[in-house]
Amino acid sequence: EAQVTQNPRYLITVTGKKLTVTCSQNMNHEYMSWYRQDPGLGLRQIYYSMNVEVTDKGDVPEGYKVSRKEKRNFPLILESPSPNQTSLYFCASSFRLIGSPLHFGNGTRLTVT
Amino acid sequence: AQTVTQSQPEMSVQEAETVTLSCTYDTSESDYYLFWYKQPPSRQMILVIRQEAYKQQNATENRFSVNFQKAAKSFSLKISDSQLGDAAMYFCAYLTSGSRLTFGEGTQLTVNP
Repeated sequence: EAQVTQNPRYLITVTGKKLTVTCSQNMNHEYMSWYRQDPGLGLRQIYYSMNVEVTDKGDVPEGYKVSRKEKRNFPLILESPSPNQTSLYFCASSFRLIGSPLHFGNGTRLTVT
Repeated sequence: AQTVTQSQPEMSVQEAETVTLSCTYDTSESDYYLFWYKQPPSRQMILVIRQEAYKQQNATENRFSVNFQKAAKSFSLKISDSQLGDAAMYFCAYLTSGSRLTFGEGTQLTVNP
């Protein structure tokens, strides 16, 4: 089944403890991206990647890192999480950003205390 | 930077009636894409409809249609014959060739039986 898989679905952690949210797609998509969703703000792009080893900042990249060493994986790394990073996170991918539908993962609810 | 504004945080409609969700955007680009996404309580992001800016004809997908007014930078979604399963958060989104996908704040739609 074609899908974008995010793990974990829920994560509770403490300030400063490094964490990684994984994202994997099995559709051979070139484009992948991360968003955070906050009430009243919609979804805001954190980072995106047009292909392997190519990543770019989105609108809210501060406090996050990403890597794209393989086409299928695009992990989101929080080196030192803070409470303002408590949010719902989505990974998404598409074959080409222009002209192809964007496939979303099921989201990761992160709480930083 | 482009912005997307959904001025209706909440909307409600009676089952079988028609409802229109509004969206405006600000851009200096001439070539871009517009989308409506649906997010039910499951958190899944589902593409409802898309519109290419160069196409004058309004997009339609079954009970969902858009009113695209390029000069006014307006992109409203009309849901006809509303069903209980249409209840969800709806996001308007804007995409340029520069790979930035920008979402609005969202409109929570309630469908009353």
